[in-house]
Amino acid sequence: KQEVTQIPAALSVPEGENLVLNCSFTDSAIYNLQWFRQDPGKGLTSLLLIQSSQREQTSGRLNASLDKSSGRSTLYIAASQPGDSATYLCAVRPVNNDMRFGAGTRLTVKP
Amino acid sequence: DAGVIQSPRHEVTEMGQEVTLRCKPISGHDYLFWYRQTMMRGLELLIYFNNNVPIDDSGMPEDRFSAKMPNASFSTLKIQPSEPRDSAVYFCASNSQGLRYNEQFFGPGTRLTVL
Repeated sequence: KQEVTQIPAALSVPEGENLVLNCSFTDSAIYNLQWFRQDPGKGLTSLLLIQSSQREQTSGRLNASLDKSSGRSTLYIAASQPGDSATYLCAVRPVNNDMRFGAGTRLTVKP
Repeated sequence: DAGVIQSPRHEVTEMGQEVTLRCKPISGHDYLFWYRQTMMRGLELLIYFNNNVPIDDSGMPEDRFSAKMPNASFSTLKIQPSEPRDSAVYFCASNSQGLRYNEQFFGPGTRLTVL
């Protein structure tokens, strides 16, 4: 059964810092991997989706990488801002469309 | 498009009562998913449908939980009888196999509290 782990569970950084969130998964037979953002009391917002054949995706200050063979993905946030404070979730989709989520990393960016 | 719509947004009920959560997927999407999020277990997939047919309900915790999708624009998740340990946020999501690499779109969630 696919297991998804996110490290660290919580992270606090000063504004302006670059940071990396990590996601690992146990079964490399995935269809895609998706990073989400969740603000308190709200639903999930999709940030980036990487197909299994891709190595990375970029959107603005966000860059997500995927190393399927080693079962790892990273989400890089450049020049962090207080508005980036949220919980970031990593999810992998095996070939049967059954997504598995990590527990998330709670990010706090201090002004 | 209004996105995935869920109702109610908040539900408070007493143990033993029946609870029905509702979801309207994005028009044209042929997959619909129900998730539950708790502090202890994070986000878990409960069940998903393809073209209104349940494909995998292995995540449904027990027989008290049931889900239906009578048509392409509506789904319900029912808990009967509800218990305090069912308190969680329940998310509905939808996607389409042919759309944007199968990206899932989530609703705002229903926060359920069972007293």
